[in-house]
Amino acid sequence: KQEVTQIPAALSVPEGENLVLNCSFTDSAIYNLQWFRQDPGKGLTSLLLIQSSQREQTSGRLNASLDKSSGRSTLYIAASQPGDSATYLCAVSNDYKLSFGAGTTVTVRA
Amino acid sequence: NAGVTQTPKFRILKIGQSMTLQCAQDMNHNYMYWYRQDPGMGLKLIYYSVGAGITDKGEVPNGYNVSRSTTEDFPLRLELAAPSQTSVYFCASSSRASGGSTDTQYFGPGTRLTVL
Repeated sequence: KQEVTQIPAALSVPEGENLVLNCSFTDSAIYNLQWFRQDPGKGLTSLLLIQSSQREQTSGRLNASLDKSSGRSTLYIAASQPGDSATYLCAVSNDYKLSFGAGTTVTVRA
Repeated sequence: NAGVTQTPKFRILKIGQSMTLQCAQDMNHNYMYWYRQDPGMGLKLIYYSVGAGITDKGEVPNGYNVSRSTTEDFPLRLELAAPSQTSVYFCASSSRASGGSTDTQYFGPGTRLTVL
């Protein structure tokens, strides 16, 4: 059974600081890994999808890396802004299904 | 495109009542999913479907049923509601990607259900 862990559970940083969010998973036989953002009381928005054959994926200030052999992914958010405050979840895909971590709740202080 | 829509947004049920959570997508996605999210937890997969007429159990299917008669719709039925089913329910959809996996999952806004 795939287990996905995200540490830390919560993070508070001053505006402008870079954010580093970690995700680890137990079964390396994944198809892809996705990072999602969730705002309070809202649904999930996909940020980045990394295929198992890729090492990283970038979108604007966001960069996600994947080390499948060690079961780890890291989401980097450069020059954080108060609007980046949200919960970030990672999810790994085994066949058609996603297994989610519990998320890291980020607060960016102005 | 409306994307993935869910109704209702909120619902309060009494123990033993039944209800259907509606989910629809207009992106012609083959794959659809139902998740529940409890406070401070990740999402748990309840049921999923890989196409019309095909459904399968996820991690936490007990107390729920689904059907998929069309590509667009994937309703979730709660029979005999229990307090343990108090949660936020999310529906999602995705297309098939190469290699047998799925592409990005798109989520609906969720249904907040309370069972008293």
